[in-house]
Amino acid sequence: AQSVAQPEDQVNVAEGNPLTVKCTYSVSGNPYLFWYVQYPNRGLQFLLKYITGDNLVKGSYGFEAEFNKSQTSFHLKKPSALVSDSALYFCAPGGGATNKLIFGTGTLLAVQP
Amino acid sequence: DTAVSQTPKYLVTQMGNDKSIKCEQNLGHDTMYWYKQDSKKFLKIMFSYNNKELIINETVPNRFSPKSPDKAHLNLHINSLELGDSAVYFCASSQGTSGRSDTQYFGPGTRLTVL
Repeated sequence: AQSVAQPEDQVNVAEGNPLTVKCTYSVSGNPYLFWYVQYPNRGLQFLLKYITGDNLVKGSYGFEAEFNKSQTSFHLKKPSALVSDSALYFCAPGGGATNKLIFGTGTLLAVQP
Repeated sequence: DTAVSQTPKYLVTQMGNDKSIKCEQNLGHDTMYWYKQDSKKFLKIMFSYNNKELIINETVPNRFSPKSPDKAHLNLHINSLELGDSAVYFCASSQGTSGRSDTQYFGPGTRLTVL
């Protein structure tokens, strides 16, 4: 069975500082890992995914994520946060026979000016 | 050029009523999904269809019935609405399931409020 944990309900960061949103996962077999972002009253937008290959995955809006197999983590990062990055971020293992996404509880990112 | 669209955006109704939410995608994808997001923002898969065939049905009450008239549409019909059905319902689509890593693209959501 697949599961995912986002240990922080909220992350606060000052604009211009680097940000990290944490995610750990448990999957059987090869992991397919996704990050989505949800802005207030909007649908989910795809940021990036890891399938195989390079452990550092680059995505939309300057975000990247680092896959760490030994720590079963897939943390989302950005070198310099923007106020407009403030949103709810979801980590989700996916794939499997049905391509079902198992969403984490979400982490609210608040970037202060 | 909305890729995944849902109607209506908001739906307010009384307990016991029957309602439908429609979803359409113009991405040419083979697979479509319904997710439910509760008041705590927790997202859970409900159903998915691949080429009009049901492939995921996640312990959802049988008051919920998905219908896929063609692979570009996946509608959600809900009978005898209950207070606990109040949530935001998201439709999504992906290329298919054979790749096992297909990105899902989400619609804007339908906020259902049951009074």
